[in-house]
Amino acid sequence: GESVGLHLPTLSVQEGDNSIINCAYSNSASDYFIWYKQESGKGPQFIIDIRSNMDKRQGQRVTVLLNKTVKHLSLQIAATQPGDSAVYFCAERSGGGADGLTFGKGTHLIIQP
Amino acid sequence: SQTIHQWPATLVQPVGSPLSLECTVEGTSNPNLYWYRQAAGRGLQLLFYSVGIGQISSEVPQNLSASRPQDRQFILSSKKLLLSDSGFYLCAWKTGKTQYFGPGTRLLVL
Repeated sequence: GESVGLHLPTLSVQEGDNSIINCAYSNSASDYFIWYKQESGKGPQFIIDIRSNMDKRQGQRVTVLLNKTVKHLSLQIAATQPGDSAVYFCAERSGGGADGLTFGKGTHLIIQP
Repeated sequence: SQTIHQWPATLVQPVGSPLSLECTVEGTSNPNLYWYRQAAGRGLQLLFYSVGIGQISSEVPQNLSASRPQDRQFILSSKKLLLSDSGFYLCAWKTGKTQYFGPGTRLLVL
């Protein structure tokens, strides 16, 4: 099976609220993680990344948290906006050919007005 | 800045017909290039990757093949399409540890 997965396939939040999207991974040797945002009909867009030697990294309105003890990754989006509606994927780099990434199936974030 | 292009954006093909999808990258040299397929409601499946001209590695056995005739060109092909080849095909390139994706090609095989 997949080594990276999501806890929920769909997450619905009110506009202006904070969103938390979770991801579990199984390969303790993974050293790099990425969150992507994919809008309907478009390619995934890089949001934020984190190396395994970090616990937290912040971007503009987004924060990624990494808990290596339980192999858990989360993406927090502050003050969600309608434009945040998309499918969010986590990906891990666990080695293999040409630094390939393994992706989870994604969480569909729906912003309620 | 680097950009990645894919065409066509959408393609409808009959079963048994050939396929050629093209991906080109601008603004970088000797990139690692990747082809992924995304089936409806599923994650991304790595199909092929290339570390240089003429160098192709296949991740999964399938009906598809890939070629890299030029440094910044990556082509996905098939001699005879199957219904199961329908999906959203994404090309990506890598800088450092991060992969960046193209806009994708939606393929529908009927």
